[in-house]
Amino acid sequence: NAGVTQTPKFRVLKTGQSMTLLCAQDMNHEYMYWYRQDPGMGLRLIHYSVGEGTTAKGEVPDGYNVSRLKKQNFLLGLESAAPSQTSVYFCASSDRGVNTEAFFGQGTRLTVV
Amino acid sequence: EDKVVQSPLSLVVHEGDTVTLNCSYEVTNFRSLLWYKQEKKAPTFLFMLTSSGIEKKSGRLSSILDKKELFSILNITATQTGDSAVYLCAVDVWTNAGKSTFGDGTTLTVKP
Repeated sequence: NAGVTQTPKFRVLKTGQSMTLLCAQDMNHEYMYWYRQDPGMGLRLIHYSVGEGTTAKGEVPDGYNVSRLKKQNFLLGLESAAPSQTSVYFCASSDRGVNTEAFFGQGTRLTVV
Repeated sequence: EDKVVQSPLSLVVHEGDTVTLNCSYEVTNFRSLLWYKQEKKAPTFLFMLTSSGIEKKSGRLSSILDKKELFSILNITATQTGDSAVYLCAVDVWTNAGKSTFGDGTTLTVKP
């Protein structure tokens, strides 16, 4: 009963390095999201996808790219990491049916030094 | 721009107290308001509200929505230390975008 799985759980990057965060869901949800959460703040939407092969920008997309090649996977890429991208990243999915609740992964704590 | 504001930002109470958390919103094409509880890790779903005046209840937690005044409250009665968490409010709108707008959360600390 996995739900939404994120990898990795922790990562430390040097400024300028690149990395990809992977999100996988097994609930056959159409909608997937990437959020970042900074201390004392709620969740801010980075990018989202309304179906396989589609992506769109959220509230804070700069410095990130995403891809949704398969329905169950949503990848978040950082091409050139900056200290301002130090944050906790959450992936979520939803079926947007009658119940619009989102199901969240356990988060990835990323530190950029 | 859609906006969700939660108050207070933080709250410290003692076990047994009753607390009320507030969420106000300004959005276009409101669909639903959701409450989540976040304990250290992933937010977990509590309630979804779509109609005014209908209380949703789960144990000691309850929530209600006022679509005229554009706010919701989350009540927790007889608080326990296990209720300590960040409580997030989010609002969904009727677009094909499928994205929620979150408030900054209320950090609740329940002391023994």
